[in-house]
Amino acid sequence: AQSVSQHNHHVILSEAASLELGCNYSYGGTVNLFWYVQYPGQHLQLLLKYFSGDPLVKGIKGFEAEFIKSKFSFNLRKPSVQWSDTAEYFCALITGNQFYFGTGTSLTVIP
Amino acid sequence: EAGVAQSPRYKIIEKRQSVAFWCNPISGHATLYWYQQILGQGPKLLIQFQNNGVVDDSQLPKDRFSAERLKGVDSTLKIQPAKLEDSAVYLCASSATSGGYNEQFFGPGTRLTVL
Repeated sequence: AQSVSQHNHHVILSEAASLELGCNYSYGGTVNLFWYVQYPGQHLQLLLKYFSGDPLVKGIKGFEAEFIKSKFSFNLRKPSVQWSDTAEYFCALITGNQFYFGTGTSLTVIP
Repeated sequence: EAGVAQSPRYKIIEKRQSVAFWCNPISGHATLYWYQQILGQGPKLLIQFQNNGVVDDSQLPKDRFSAERLKGVDSTLKIQPAKLEDSAVYLCASSATSGGYNEQFFGPGTRLTVL
Protein backbone atom coordinates (compact mmCIF):
# COMPACT_ATOMS: atom_id res chain seq x y z
CA ALA A 1 0.00 0.00 0.00
CA GLN A 2 1.09 3.53 -0.63
CA SER A 3 2.50 5.45 2.31
CA VAL A 4 4.52 8.47 3.25
CA SER A 5 7.14 8.49 5.99
CA GLN A 6 8.50 11.50 7.76
CA HIS A 7 11.20 10.29 10.10
CA ASN A 8 11.86 13.57 11.88
CA HIS A 9 9.02 14.12 14.29
CA HIS A 10 10.43 17.11 16.12
CA VAL A 11 13.23 19.37 14.96
CA ILE A 12 14.67 22.27 16.91
CA LEU A 13 17.00 24.70 15.19
CA SER A 14 18.54 28.06 15.89
CA GLU A 15 17.87 30.92 13.51
CA ALA A 16 20.11 30.93 10.42
CA ALA A 17 20.68 27.19 10.65
CA SER A 18 20.07 25.07 7.57
CA LEU A 19 17.04 22.82 7.42
CA GLU A 20 16.40 19.48 5.80
CA LEU A 21 13.25 17.50 6.55
CA GLY A 22 13.04 13.97 5.27
CA CYS A 23 10.15 12.51 3.30
CA ASN A 24 10.10 9.02 1.83
CA TYR A 25 7.23 7.41 0.03
CA SER A 26 6.33 3.93 -1.09
CA TYR A 27 4.72 3.73 -4.52
CA GLY A 28 6.07 2.33 -7.73
CA GLY A 29 4.18 4.44 -10.22
CA THR A 30 3.98 8.07 -11.19
CA VAL A 31 3.69 10.32 -8.19
CA ASN A 32 2.74 13.87 -7.40
CA LEU A 33 4.41 15.13 -4.25
CA PHE A 34 3.61 18.08 -2.04
CA TRP A 35 4.84 19.80 1.06
CA TYR A 36 2.24 21.56 3.19
CA VAL A 37 2.88 23.79 6.17
CA GLN A 38 0.68 24.67 9.12
CA TYR A 39 1.76 27.73 11.09
CA PRO A 40 0.48 27.99 14.66
CA GLY A 41 -3.21 28.80 14.63
CA GLN A 42 -3.44 28.80 10.85
CA HIS A 43 -4.74 26.54 8.11
CA LEU A 44 -2.71 24.03 6.18
CA GLN A 45 -1.21 25.74 3.15
CA LEU A 46 0.83 24.61 0.20
CA LEU A 47 4.60 25.17 0.30
CA LEU A 48 5.58 23.52 -2.97
CA LYS A 49 4.69 20.69 -5.32
CA TYR A 50 6.32 18.33 -7.79
CA PHE A 51 4.53 16.82 -10.78
CA SER A 52 7.21 16.25 -13.40
CA GLY A 53 10.24 17.89 -14.98
CA ASP A 54 12.99 19.49 -12.95
CA PRO A 55 13.35 17.40 -9.78
CA LEU A 56 14.41 20.47 -7.81
CA VAL A 57 11.33 22.52 -7.06
CA LYS A 58 11.20 25.88 -5.38
CA GLY A 59 8.36 27.03 -3.20
CA ILE A 60 7.35 29.98 -1.14
CA LYS A 61 9.44 31.62 1.58
CA GLY A 62 12.75 30.25 0.30
CA PHE A 63 11.89 26.56 0.63
CA GLU A 64 12.88 23.98 -1.94
CA ALA A 65 12.57 20.24 -2.30
CA GLU A 66 14.35 17.66 -4.39
CA PHE A 67 12.64 14.63 -5.87
CA ILE A 68 15.03 11.67 -6.02
CA LYS A 69 13.18 8.86 -7.72
CA SER A 70 15.82 6.22 -7.01
CA LYS A 71 15.55 6.93 -3.29
CA PHE A 72 11.77 7.45 -3.24
CA SER A 73 12.46 10.70 -1.45
CA PHE A 74 11.24 14.28 -1.54
CA ASN A 75 13.19 16.12 1.14
CA LEU A 76 12.43 19.70 2.07
CA ARG A 77 15.28 22.18 2.48
CA LYS A 78 15.90 25.76 3.43
CA PRO A 79 19.42 27.20 3.68
CA SER A 80 18.69 29.56 6.58
CA VAL A 81 15.63 29.27 8.79
CA GLN A 82 13.87 32.10 10.57
CA TRP A 83 11.84 32.16 13.75
CA SER A 84 8.73 32.58 11.59
CA ASP A 85 9.34 29.14 10.06
CA THR A 86 8.20 27.54 13.30
CA ALA A 87 5.37 25.29 12.14
CA GLU A 88 4.23 21.76 11.38
CA TYR A 89 5.35 20.44 8.00
CA PHE A 90 3.56 17.68 6.13
CA CYS A 91 4.71 15.74 3.10
CA ALA A 92 1.95 14.35 0.88
CA LEU A 93 1.72 11.89 -1.98
CA ILE A 94 -1.07 11.96 -4.54
CA THR A 95 -1.71 9.06 -6.87
CA GLY A 96 -4.82 9.35 -8.98
CA ASN A 97 -7.55 10.35 -6.58
CA GLN A 98 -5.80 9.03 -3.50
CA PHE A 99 -4.06 11.38 -1.11
CA TYR A 100 -1.57 10.24 1.53
CA PHE A 101 -0.08 12.55 4.15
CA GLY A 102 2.89 11.86 6.35
CA THR A 103 2.64 12.20 10.11
CA GLY A 104 4.25 15.61 10.05
CA THR A 105 7.40 17.21 11.43
CA SER A 106 7.19 19.87 14.08
CA LEU A 107 9.85 22.52 13.55
CA THR A 108 10.77 24.94 16.29
CA VAL A 109 13.20 27.74 15.44
CA ILE A 110 14.85 29.41 18.39
CA PRO A 111 15.66 33.11 17.97
CA GLU B 1 -11.01 35.64 -2.21
CA ALA B 2 -12.82 34.03 0.72
CA GLY B 3 -11.32 30.79 1.94
CA VAL B 4 -12.89 27.50 2.92
CA ALA B 5 -15.31 27.98 5.79
CA GLN B 6 -16.08 25.35 8.39
CA SER B 7 -18.35 25.25 11.40
CA PRO B 8 -18.44 24.67 14.21
CA ARG B 9 -14.79 25.20 15.14
CA TYR B 10 -15.07 23.08 18.27
CA LYS B 11 -17.49 20.41 19.38
CA ILE B 12 -17.62 18.28 22.51
CA ILE B 13 -20.04 15.37 22.66
CA GLU B 14 -20.47 12.16 24.56
CA LYS B 15 -19.97 8.79 22.92
CA ARG B 16 -22.99 7.43 21.10
CA GLN B 17 -24.22 10.94 20.34
CA SER B 18 -24.49 12.33 16.82
CA VAL B 19 -22.62 15.27 15.37
CA ALA B 20 -22.53 17.12 12.08
CA PHE B 21 -19.94 19.37 10.51
CA TRP B 22 -20.49 21.90 7.77
CA CYS B 23 -18.15 23.09 5.02
CA ASN B 24 -18.47 25.85 2.47
CA PRO B 25 -15.74 25.61 -0.18
CA ILE B 26 -14.15 28.37 -2.16
CA SER B 27 -16.59 29.71 -4.72
CA GLY B 28 -16.35 27.87 -8.01
CA HIS B 29 -14.33 24.94 -6.67
CA ALA B 30 -15.77 21.74 -8.03
CA THR B 31 -13.90 19.33 -5.79
CA LEU B 32 -14.38 19.04 -2.04
CA TYR B 33 -12.52 16.83 0.40
CA TRP B 34 -13.09 15.79 4.00
CA TYR B 35 -10.09 14.69 6.05
CA GLN B 36 -9.73 13.31 9.56
CA GLN B 37 -6.61 14.32 11.46
CA ILE B 38 -6.00 12.47 14.69
CA LEU B 39 -3.55 14.06 17.12
CA GLY B 40 0.01 13.23 16.13
CA GLN B 41 -0.94 11.99 12.68
CA GLY B 42 -1.27 13.47 9.23
CA PRO B 43 -4.63 14.14 7.61
CA LYS B 44 -6.42 11.05 6.30
CA LEU B 45 -8.76 11.48 3.37
CA LEU B 46 -12.28 10.32 4.20
CA ILE B 47 -14.24 11.32 1.11
CA GLN B 48 -13.85 13.31 -2.07
CA PHE B 49 -16.67 14.93 -4.03
CA GLN B 50 -16.60 16.20 -7.59
CA ASN B 51 -19.53 18.60 -7.79
CA ASN B 52 -22.22 16.61 -5.95
CA GLY B 53 -20.93 13.15 -6.87
CA VAL B 54 -18.63 10.98 -4.78
CA VAL B 55 -15.22 10.37 -6.39
CA ASP B 56 -13.78 8.28 -3.59
CA ASP B 57 -15.04 7.25 -0.16
CA SER B 58 -12.93 4.16 0.37
CA GLN B 59 -11.59 5.41 3.72
CA LEU B 60 -14.96 6.52 5.09
CA PRO B 61 -16.29 4.27 7.92
CA LYS B 62 -19.69 3.98 6.38
CA ASP B 63 -21.28 2.26 9.34
CA ARG B 64 -21.19 5.53 11.27
CA PHE B 65 -19.97 8.28 8.95
CA SER B 66 -21.94 9.87 6.15
CA ALA B 67 -21.39 12.88 3.95
CA GLU B 68 -23.32 14.72 1.35
CA ARG B 69 -22.80 17.64 -0.96
CA LEU B 70 -26.12 18.89 -2.15
CA LYS B 71 -26.17 21.16 -5.20
CA GLY B 72 -22.42 20.74 -5.55
CA VAL B 73 -21.54 23.52 -3.12
CA ASP B 74 -21.78 23.11 0.68
CA SER B 75 -21.14 19.80 2.32
CA THR B 76 -21.95 18.17 5.63
CA LEU B 77 -20.16 15.31 7.35
CA LYS B 78 -22.08 13.39 9.98
CA ILE B 79 -21.04 10.88 12.61
CA GLN B 80 -23.74 8.72 14.16
CA PRO B 81 -23.09 7.33 16.72
CA ALA B 82 -19.74 8.79 17.75
CA LYS B 83 -17.02 6.71 19.37
CA LEU B 84 -14.10 7.81 21.53
CA GLU B 85 -11.67 7.14 18.68
CA ASP B 86 -13.48 9.71 16.50
CA SER B 87 -11.86 12.50 18.52
CA ALA B 88 -9.90 14.40 15.90
CA VAL B 89 -9.79 17.53 13.79
CA TYR B 90 -12.01 17.27 10.73
CA LEU B 91 -10.64 19.25 7.83
CA CYS B 92 -12.45 20.33 4.73
CA ALA B 93 -10.55 21.30 1.60
CA SER B 94 -11.51 22.33 -1.91
CA SER B 95 -9.80 22.53 -5.27
CA ALA B 96 -10.75 23.85 -8.67
CA THR B 97 -10.95 20.36 -10.18
CA SER B 98 -10.14 16.84 -9.12
CA GLY B 99 -6.75 15.18 -9.26
CA GLY B 100 -3.44 15.90 -7.68
CA TYR B 101 -2.55 18.65 -10.12
CA ASN B 102 -4.76 21.09 -8.35
CA GLU B 103 -3.83 22.78 -5.12
CA GLN B 104 -6.13 22.00 -2.24
CA PHE B 105 -7.16 24.90 -0.03
CA PHE B 106 -7.89 23.90 3.54
CA GLY B 107 -10.34 25.27 6.02
CA PRO B 108 -9.57 25.85 9.71
CA GLY B 109 -11.02 22.50 10.76
CA THR B 110 -13.48 21.37 13.40
CA ARG B 111 -11.96 19.94 16.54
CA LEU B 112 -14.17 17.13 17.85
CA THR B 113 -13.79 15.73 21.34
CA VAL B 114 -15.78 12.62 22.20
CA LEU B 115 -16.07 11.92 25.93
